Amino acid sequence: SQQGEEDPQALSIQEGENATMNCSYKTSINNLQWYRQNSGRGLVHLILIRSNEREKHSGRLRVTLDTSKKSSSLLITASRAADTASYFCATDDWAQGGSEKLVFGKGTKLTVNP
Amino acid sequence: DAGVTQSPTHLIKTRGQQVTLRCSPKSGHDTVSWYQQALGQGPQFIFQYYEEEERQRGNFPDRFSGHQFPNYSSELNVNALLLGDSALYLCASSSTGFNEKLFFGSGTQLSVL
Repeated sequence: SQQGEEDPQALSIQEGENATMNCSYKTSINNLQWYRQNSGRGLVHLILIRSNEREKHSGRLRVTLDTSKKSSSLLITASRAADTASYFCATDDWAQGGSEKLVFGKGTKLTVNP
Repeated sequence: DAGVTQSPTHLIKTRGQQVTLRCSPKSGHDTVSWYQQALGQGPQFIFQYYEEEERQRGNFPDRFSGHQFPNYSSELNVNALLLGDSALYLCASSSTGFNEKLFFGSGTQLSVL
């Protein structure tokens, strides 16, 4: 089963616009991560936010975490065509005592039009 | 510094056959995790290997097995292939069992006919 659910499933924007995607999860977590996947190949780690953090920045990326609502958002500012990819949130399975695995959502497919 | 490498990149098998996928972790990493990604879905955890032992296993049948070698490389074996096993199989490496900032390989696309 997949714990995280990204919203929207697909997002199409123009270059230069901001892109926001959301993730909801079900159980207690230790951390939440965002990954990017280009064309169905390997995933690339973007950013990690811990359960005691509320916001984190990395370059054009801004991630927020609301543990009371069990949700996170990823904001990509000033988007570029190269940002076109699928974006996944992933949580550890802390409630199950499992720190070894990540549980991924179904992803948001972002298209940035030139 | 080589990242995570997987082989082969593509594989076509028929139902009932067996398949072995291979993974070499990123230099300096000793932990290997395997994920299955069906079309249009997120990756699903199969199992993780550390110190040549399976540390945790996801909800996959015993047909899925693995191995880790002393040089930290790993294999994923799937027996009695089913059509539903068609997917992208991803290997990810990390340090000392941590699941933070996984480094993924490009995957093996398995098609079962």
